[in-house]
Amino acid sequence: AQSVTQLGSHVSVSEGALVLLRCNYSSSVPPYLFWYVQYPNQGLQLLLKYTSAATLVKGINGFEAEFKKSETSFHLTKPSAHMSDAAEYFCAVSDRGSNYQLIWGAGTKLIIKP
Amino acid sequence: KAGVTQTPRYLIKTRGQQVTLSCSPISGHRSVSWYQQTPGQGLQFLFEYFSETQRNKGNFPGRFSGRQFSNSRSEMNVSTLELGDSALYLCASRPGGGSGNQPQHFGDGTRLSIL
Repeated sequence: AQSVTQLGSHVSVSEGALVLLRCNYSSSVPPYLFWYVQYPNQGLQLLLKYTSAATLVKGINGFEAEFKKSETSFHLTKPSAHMSDAAEYFCAVSDRGSNYQLIWGAGTKLIIKP
Repeated sequence: KAGVTQTPRYLIKTRGQQVTLSCSPISGHRSVSWYQQTPGQGLQFLFEYFSETQRNKGNFPGRFSGRQFSNSRSEMNVSTLELGDSALYLCASRPGGGSGNQPQHFGDGTRLSIL
């Protein structure tokens, strides 16, 4: 069965510093991968998706993620953190075996220190 | 294009009651998925409906049920409510035609509190 692991339930960075949120997946076939962001009292919003067209994927709000097959990783980065980036981030993989149901990571809360 | 709409936004019930939550997907989307989100358990998949048929089901008791109508709107019902059912219930839609690169689009959720 496919699975997604997000390392670190909480990540704290200073404003202006690099943001790195880790996501590793397990899949026996080339995956479709997604990053979502959730702000308090809201639903999840798509940040970016990997669909095999390019290994470096650019998303909204200055975020990007790089697909590394050899490491089964899809880490999310942003060069310079803003206070408005404080939110919870979820990584998900699309499961071909169940009509592409999304398998979700546990989420990482990003804390921005002023 | 209007997004996914969930009603109501907030709901307070007591133990033993039942509740029905509603979700209107993005126009043209035929797949609707439901999730339960709690601080302790994270995002838990409940079920997915596609063209009025349940296509996938998570690991929840039979008290949790759903349906989808011909216009793709979906409802979720929880009977005999328990304190542990307090959660944010999220609905998500996607076109659903079988391509794995379709992202899900989420509503803002219904926050259910059980007293």
